[in-house]
Amino acid sequence: QQQVKQSPQSLIVQKGGISIINCAYENTAFDYFPWYQQFPGKGPALLIAIRPDVSEKKEGRFTISFNKSAKQFSLHIMDSQPGDSATYFCAASKTGNTGKLIFGQGTTLQVKP
Amino acid sequence: DAGVTQSPTHLIKTRGQHVTLRCSPISGHKSVSWYQQVLGQGPQFIFQYYEKEERGRGNFPDRFSARQFPNYSSELNVNALLLGDSALYLCASSFIMGASYTFGSGTRLTVV
Repeated sequence: QQQVKQSPQSLIVQKGGISIINCAYENTAFDYFPWYQQFPGKGPALLIAIRPDVSEKKEGRFTISFNKSAKQFSLHIMDSQPGDSATYFCAASKTGNTGKLIFGQGTTLQVKP
Repeated sequence: DAGVTQSPTHLIKTRGQHVTLRCSPISGHKSVSWYQQVLGQGPQFIFQYYEKEERGRGNFPDRFSARQFPNYSSELNVNALLLGDSALYLCASSFIMGASYTFGSGTRLTVV
């Protein structure tokens, strides 16, 4: 019940294209769903996050789509750039409890020039 | 404004040794948590501290321990190191538990 499943494991996109990464969760008590971007040798950096009371959140080129009934959420990167090449992690948590983040397995994105 | 700072950045230890990793949270953040990230995987939760009290513990053996100090900094201790403890150890801080975590760059621990 604590798992967060992420797909695909790796993704190659042309510059200017749309990158889409999907995650599914099991625990309906989760109420915070962030996406993190990680470059080699660095810690994860928070990109964008959503709570289950909204179905979509957009920040610049990054959009989270959230489907509460399907227990799924996805990250869309519009106009993908070579600088977006990194590993992306979805995560979920129950705020105020232990607060621990449950991470997906990660998606390695490569944006080709 | 300084982010989450971790020290040391890299560390090489021998099997059976002890290690202490340190973390300074963002000013004003009272919640600190520790994660282990093995190469090619997502971070795994180890400990959560809030207001100097342990609020959560992940599925790690008792060789792992941590504490939070009055200034909200934290340290993670690992005893009797095993080869499998080799990983990137991440510290994250937040104002409240469970949301808006900011991660440090981590400590890369190699056990030989």
